[in-house]
Amino acid sequence: GENVEQHPSTLSVQEGDSAVIKCTYSDSASNYFPWYKQELGKRPQLIIDIRSNVGEKKDQRIAVTLNKTAKHFSLHITETQPEDSAVYFCAARSSTNTGNQFYFGTGTSLTVIP
Amino acid sequence: GAGVSQSPSNKVTEKGKDVELRCDPISGHTALYWYRQRLGQGLEFLIYFQGNSAPDKSGLPSDRFSAERTGESVSTLTIQRTQQEDSAVYLCASSLVTGVDTQYFGPGTRLTVL
Repeated sequence: GENVEQHPSTLSVQEGDSAVIKCTYSDSASNYFPWYKQELGKRPQLIIDIRSNVGEKKDQRIAVTLNKTAKHFSLHITETQPEDSAVYFCAARSSTNTGNQFYFGTGTSLTVIP
Repeated sequence: GAGVSQSPSNKVTEKGKDVELRCDPISGHTALYWYRQRLGQGLEFLIYFQGNSAPDKSGLPSDRFSAERTGESVSTLTIQRTQQEDSAVYLCASSLVTGVDTQYFGPGTRLTVL
């Protein structure tokens, strides 16, 4: 089955700096890669996603890049703000005999220091 | 429209008791997922329902865990003879499985086993 690894587990940046979180996956058939933001005590919220036929996607201060050959994808947050502080999870969707299953990374706790 | 809802939001039970957790997916979403999230940890896949197909139960940690889904609507996750290590937040997510199947998460049920 699919195995998703996420690094770093914790990340602290100064407000205004950029933050980068990286994930690797093992199943070359995985074709959809969402990123979720989870604030303390709240549900995960999708912030951006990318499909395997695209190499990069950007939405304002957030971008995701995908390297299918190397089987890794990254989340980039520019001009970080204190409200970006949260736990971020990457995921990869892999097909199983019964349908599509999502495999999650272990999360990155991002702290933006004002 | 209404999002994914879960009930109860909090459940405190005694070791050895059975508990039932409920998930109401977004109307029309054919796929439904259950995850477990222990404190400070990532999302652990439990079970996946896709339409009328047999569910993918590969993530259920023991035979004390089971889940049912009525058609393409409500799902219940049952934990029998609860143990302290079952304490966690149980998250449900649903997705509309066509070419775009973003997962939408419910608020979770926080289970505490005393």
